[in-house]
Amino acid sequence: SQTIHQWPATLVQPVGSPLSLECTVEGTSNPNLYWYRQAAGRGLQLLFYSVGIGQISSEVPQNLSASRPQDRQFILSSKKLLLSDSGFYLCAWSFGRAGELFFGEGSRLTVL
Amino acid sequence: TQLLEQSPQFLSIQEGENLTVYCNSSSVFSSLQWYRQEPGEGPVLLVTVVTGGEVKKLKRLTFQFGDARKDSSLHITAAQPGDTGLYLCIHSNDYKLSFGAGTTVTVRA
Repeated sequence: SQTIHQWPATLVQPVGSPLSLECTVEGTSNPNLYWYRQAAGRGLQLLFYSVGIGQISSEVPQNLSASRPQDRQFILSSKKLLLSDSGFYLCAWSFGRAGELFFGEGSRLTVL
Repeated sequence: TQLLEQSPQFLSIQEGENLTVYCNSSSVFSSLQWYRQEPGEGPVLLVTVVTGGEVKKLKRLTFQFGDARKDSSLHITAAQPGDTGLYLCIHSNDYKLSFGAGTTVTVRA
């Protein structure tokens, strides 16, 4: 069966420091991968999605970037964090253009 | 893009009561997914509804997809404290997401 893991689960970082959140999927090949940010009462914001290795689409121009160095690995990064980057980040995977989403456990980022 | 309206936003009920959460849109969707999310965790898929008028049951949870595929509802019978969580309706298509803001359900023991 397929599983998805993301880490770290919680992270407290100072403003201006770098960020790296990692997500891996097991038990499947060539999944679509996503990074979302979730704000209370405002639902899910799609940040990046990837349909293959090295293929990244950005939905919202911002302080973050994403990379997919391997088929089942998706990384969310920032060179310099802003206070506004604080939030709950979710990695997800799916198959196909209209596939169901399967989410990771989430990463709570607090920027101080 | 948030194209789905969920109501109510918050719902607090006593254990044993029934509840219904609604997900509405002016757009037609090929499918809708319902998720439950607990604090500090990622959403977990409950069900996908595809056919207009479809009814799916998952133990005490009943999901309906409107005939016109513009709305859906989630009904919980005899709610239990374990049903507490954020319920999200989501549509995924062309790698894009349509979603509701969620309904926070609290079931008091």
